[in-house]
Amino acid sequence: GAGVSQTPSNKVTEKGKYVELRCDPISGHTALYWYRQSLGQGPEFLIYFQGTGAADDSGLPNDRFFAVRPEGSVSTLKIQRTERGDSAVYLCASSLATDTQYFGPGTRLTVL
Amino acid sequence: AQSVTQLDSQVPVFEEAPVELRCNYSSSVSVYLFWYVQYPNQGLQLLLKYLSGSTLVESINGFEAEFNKSQTSFHLRKPSVHISDTAEYFCAVSDWGSNDYKLSFGAGTTVTVRA
Repeated sequence: GAGVSQTPSNKVTEKGKYVELRCDPISGHTALYWYRQSLGQGPEFLIYFQGTGAADDSGLPNDRFFAVRPEGSVSTLKIQRTERGDSAVYLCASSLATDTQYFGPGTRLTVL
Repeated sequence: AQSVTQLDSQVPVFEEAPVELRCNYSSSVSVYLFWYVQYPNQGLQLLLKYLSGSTLVESINGFEAEFNKSQTSFHLRKPSVHISDTAEYFCAVSDWGSNDYKLSFGAGTTVTVRA
């Protein structure tokens, strides 16, 4: 079956702009996670959804970051007033409850 | 939150030689343990996982890892590597008592296999 997909694969934006990153999880997966991977580091947790609700957003670095999952499937990560330090690969993963997390290919965000 | 340490950032190894990638985590509370692999220009793929039961787990391509609770370690081994094993390997941990199962990752180990 289809895996986790993320769009766009690459996004280049200017400092101060707003961006949206999309994640399509594996069909039927109730849990959805966002992670951020900076160069030379492992992924870092941002936010976790169980169904439509954000069950844990403790990893969001500040209030410029926000994510939604209105129908319990597709999720959008939104970043306002982007900064150069936001440049990273943003990863989405989905799972069935407590089972293995399956990762998408990521969106590489570059803030100029 | 868990802290995960991968002790080697880069491991060069010759083809058909053994390799060990070390991983230690910070807490001895009940955990799930994972190794993910990232091949060049590809996304993260699950290599193997420990959830419960036997402390020795194996992957389909010859890797194995052993959960050691007393040493809070989950080292990854392969007795004979191939060129195709060249990749970055990430150790990850989640607390199964935390109700969200978010993963804490190590910084990764880059394995380069040479002929």
